Amino acid sequence: DTAVSQTPKYLVTQMGNDKSIKCEQNLGHDTMYWYKQDSKKFLKIMFSYNNKELIINETVPNRFSPKSPDKAHLNLHINSLELGDSAVYFCASSHQAGGRTDTQYFGPGTRLTVL
Amino acid sequence: AQSVTQLDSHVSVSEGTPVLLRCNYSSSYSPSLFWYVQHPNKGLQLLLKYTSAATLVKGINGFEAEFKKSETSFHLTKPSAHMSDAAEYFCVVGTQGGKLIFGQGTELSVKP
Repeated sequence: DTAVSQTPKYLVTQMGNDKSIKCEQNLGHDTMYWYKQDSKKFLKIMFSYNNKELIINETVPNRFSPKSPDKAHLNLHINSLELGDSAVYFCASSHQAGGRTDTQYFGPGTRLTVL
Repeated sequence: AQSVTQLDSHVSVSEGTPVLLRCNYSSSYSPSLFWYVQHPNKGLQLLLKYTSAATLVKGINGFEAEFKKSETSFHLTKPSAHMSDAAEYFCVVGTQGGKLIFGQGTELSVKP
């Protein structure tokens, strides 16, 4: 059984389009995250939700909007896509909110390519 | 503020020889430290974590890391490399807000 799943795995789109990436976890965790991995493989957190409430919001353009319909799902919607949005986006989940010792479990990633 | 620095962007070893991936950290309080591995075109998998218990932490696949406060280091080692160990390795520090801060990554190549 997949613990943290993301769809789609690959996403190729044109500049200016709007797209969404979906994430689901079946671990019963309360907290979910979105990370962005750039072309140099550097990973940086974007958002974190605990039980549907936003708790971390890094300096991310307003074009990125996370949505959590329930604590098992955290989707990422991106408006007006730009070339610089091309990256691999990872979803993760953990048991606790704000727990610095808590293990985060990562999904397989979504490779977004903006043409 | 918390940060991690991985001292080598690329390490190459021969199969069967030891692996050493170096990581230094900076933290204003007792840190939580992790090593994650990312195989090509895959997600991240936790290898091991340190959370102020034993300073020598054993992980999966024969990896271990030693927390050295005096040197602010958390180096990852394995006695004998296997071809399947070829991957990108990330040293990570956990923060009070639950945010993980990643190092720049070390690419490990294993030669036959």
